[in-house]
Amino acid sequence: AQSVSQHNHHVILSEAASLELGCNYSYGGTVNLFWYVQYPGQHLQLLLKYFSGDPLVKGIKGFEAEFIKSKFSFNLRKPSVQWSDTAEYFCAAGSNSGYALNFGKGTSLLVTP
Amino acid sequence: KAGVTQTPRYLIKTRGQQVTLSCSPISGHRSVSWYQQTPGQGLQFLFEYFSETQRNKGNFPGRFSGRQFSNSRSEMNVSTLELGDSALYLCASSLSLGAGELFFGEGSRLTVL
Repeated sequence: AQSVSQHNHHVILSEAASLELGCNYSYGGTVNLFWYVQYPGQHLQLLLKYFSGDPLVKGIKGFEAEFIKSKFSFNLRKPSVQWSDTAEYFCAAGSNSGYALNFGKGTSLLVTP
Repeated sequence: KAGVTQTPRYLIKTRGQQVTLSCSPISGHRSVSWYQQTPGQGLQFLFEYFSETQRNKGNFPGRFSGRQFSNSRSEMNVSTLELGDSALYLCASSLSLGAGELFFGEGSRLTVL
């Protein structure tokens, strides 16, 4: 069955620390991959997406993600987090066959000053 | 360009009642998806509509239903509410069907007492 799993449910970091959030997917064939962020009290918004091409994808606010096909992974990274990055992060995957996006259960990130 | 609009934003119901939630997609978007978001479970896919037809359906009981109108606006209905239906219900729109980028509304937070 198609699925998305996120490794960490809760992460606490100090400002300026580096961030890596794990995401693995279980899909056959071509897959589209996304990271969404939900800031407190706000709607989900897209951080970055991968459809094809360069496996290193850059998104908004200094985030990037790397698609590693052999590992079925799409990990999110940021070299130096800020307090304003406190949010919930969701990895999502979908195929081009017309089915809906599947989301992971999310990772809650708390950045302390 | 207006975003995805969901109404009502908050509502409280009692067990056994039914509820209808509404979603207006971004202008020009023809696909509308619905997700249920609960703590620890992330986003679980309910259904997706395109051109007034349900194209995909998640693993939810028949108490959950929806429809899409000719102007792409969508409604979802939950009948015979249960305590476990308390959640944030998210609507997302996209240009086309399937695994493209989703644009989310702020959600309708349903509390069942």
